[in-house]
Amino acid sequence: NAGVTQTPKFQVLKTGQSMTLQCAQDMNHNSMYWYRQDPGMGLRLIYYSASEGTTDKGEVPNGYNVSRLNKREFSLRLESAAPSQTSVYFCASSTGTGGRGELFFGEGSRLTVL
Amino acid sequence: AQSVTQLGSHVSVSEGALVLLRCNYSSSVPPYLFWYVQYPNQGLQLLLKYTSAATLVKGINGFEAEFKKSETSFHLTKPSAHMSDAAEYFCATKGDAGGTSYGKLTFGQGTILTVHP
Repeated sequence: NAGVTQTPKFQVLKTGQSMTLQCAQDMNHNSMYWYRQDPGMGLRLIYYSASEGTTDKGEVPNGYNVSRLNKREFSLRLESAAPSQTSVYFCASSTGTGGRGELFFGEGSRLTVL
Repeated sequence: AQSVTQLGSHVSVSEGALVLLRCNYSSSVPPYLFWYVQYPNQGLQLLLKYTSAATLVKGINGFEAEFKKSETSFHLTKPSAHMSDAAEYFCATKGDAGGTSYGKLTFGQGTILTVHP
């Protein structure tokens, strides 16, 4: 199984440009998440989707939008990129309620905004 | 809100030496605690988790962690470091105590482990 797949793996944008990060999981998980990782700050939750059809803000949602397209796919959109959004973005999924509480991560998407 | 603090952004050990990575938590209710590992250019993977079943938790690759309520700690240890243990390690806790979404984790700042030959 592929697990959690993110595309693209690398992207360079100019300030003000828009882009969408795609994420798909093949583990039939209910919940999906977008985190960003910055040096010395760990991972911070941007948005999550507890189940298909729902999305909620995390700790740092400003400047981002998300879409839970179906149970498998959860995309993250930057409408007008800013240098502060330079980061490594991780998509993750989990079974959601109950269970083992384990997150499964993709390999990350490294975004640079000039 | 639940939170964790990792003490030491960098830890360096010799191969064969004890590994000790420190994590303290802040929680108003019994916490769920996790350790994740990130190898270079990869996503995070779960090492172990504490969910109140046992205070000493064993994980993959010879790692274990002990939950100490009196010290509000959940330190990660390994008796003998291997070169392949070099990675960044993250302590995490379930972000919302009353919620049911186990993936809403709050992560510590991370500790980079270097292993010298």
